[in-house]
Parts: sequence; structure tokens; C-alpha cells
Amino acid sequence: AQSVAQPEDQVNVAEGNPLTVKCTYSVSGNPYLFWYVQYPNRGLQFLLKYITGDNLVKGSYGFEAEFNKSQTSFHLKKPSALVSDSALYFCAVRDNSGYSTLTFGKGTMLLVSP
Amino acid sequence: NAGVMQNPRHLVRRRGQEARLRCSPMKGHSHVYWYRQLPEEGLKFMVYLQKENIIDESGMPKERFSAEFPKEGPSILRIQQVVRGDSAAYFCASSPVSQLAGTLNEQFFGPGTRLTVL
Repeated sequence: AQSVAQPEDQVNVAEGNPLTVKCTYSVSGNPYLFWYVQYPNRGLQFLLKYITGDNLVKGSYGFEAEFNKSQTSFHLKKPSALVSDSALYFCAVRDNSGYSTLTFGKGTMLLVSP
Repeated sequence: NAGVMQNPRHLVRRRGQEARLRCSPMKGHSHVYWYRQLPEEGLKFMVYLQKENIIDESGMPKERFSAEFPKEGPSILRIQQVVRGDSAAYFCASSPVSQLAGTLNEQFFGPGTRLTVL
């Protein structure tokens, strides 16, 4: 069975500082990894995905994520946080061995203070 | 190109009533997924449908819940005899191709329907 862990319920960062939102995963095969963002009363918006290749993936709104196979992690990062980045962030995983659906983490609330 | 549409956005039902949630996928998408988000929890997969076919319903509760995606019209998630524990946000997502091995397209999510059971 596949699973995702987001160990932090909330991350606080000051505007202009770098941010990291952590995610670790467990799958039986090779992972496909995703980050989504959810703004209040909205659906999830796709940020980025890792399939294969370069371990550093660049996505929307200046976000990037680093795939680390040995640590089974896919942390989301941004060099300089904006107040408008404040939202709920979800990491998700699926494996590529046959059919499978996305498994989501519980989400991490990112709060960026001015 | 309109995104995934869900209606209603908010739905209030009393215990024992039926709830019907609708989802219109993005144009050109023939695969629909339903997720439930309970308070303080992440999204939980419920069911994956193609037109006129249920591909995977492993996340659906065995009783009271059903889903369909007819040849014409939106996908429907139906909850019969609702209970307070059904109160949640229900999200629909769509993709242009299946999620089989070797294919990968991200799922596009709708704004959700927030169901409140009184």
C-alpha cells in the first residue's frame, strides 16, 4: 500500500525568507509524486510533479521540489516566500506498477507573515 | 476551456435525506475521480470512473454511497440516508487519459461541494 506523510501541520515563515514543506512517501514501485495547493474554499491546484529524470523539479509560482530516493522524500521549496503563498499544501503519490490512484498526505498549512 | 465544475457548492441536508453531488469534467476529459476531505484530514480517494464504467471503487463506503458517470451528462455522487459523519468537502477531479501504468497526467480538481448534515 502506498502512503504519504506530511509531518508538519503548519509551517510559519516570514515574507522574503525561504520555505520548505516536508513530504515523505512509501510505495511499492517507482513513485510518481505531486504537490497541490488549496486556497480557502477552492479546489486543489496542481503545482508540480516528479516522474523521472532530474531530481529537482520546478513548478508553478516559483515553487520547486527535490526528489530524494534514499530518504523517500519530496520536499517542496521556494527561495523567497510571499504572503500570497499562504495556503494548504498537499503532497500526493502513486506508483507506476499497474493501475493506482493518488494517495494524499494530510496537508500542511503554510502561513507567510508580512 | 472551463475547468472542472461541481454543483452545488454548498449542500445542507438533514439526517436521513439523500445528497446528490454533480461533477462536470473538463472538456475532453473522460476520466473522473471523487475524493472526500474530512475536517483536519487530507483527501481520501473514493471512486474512479470512466464514461459508463466504474474502474475502481475501493474507497467507497460499502453502503449508502454510489457513483455514476453516464454517457451523457455529469458524474453523480449519491449519498443515501445521510448521517452527520458524511459532512465533508467532496472533490471531483478529471484527467484526459487513464491513470494506468506508463501514462501520467495530473488530475484537475473542481472547487468542491461542501456537504453539511444537520
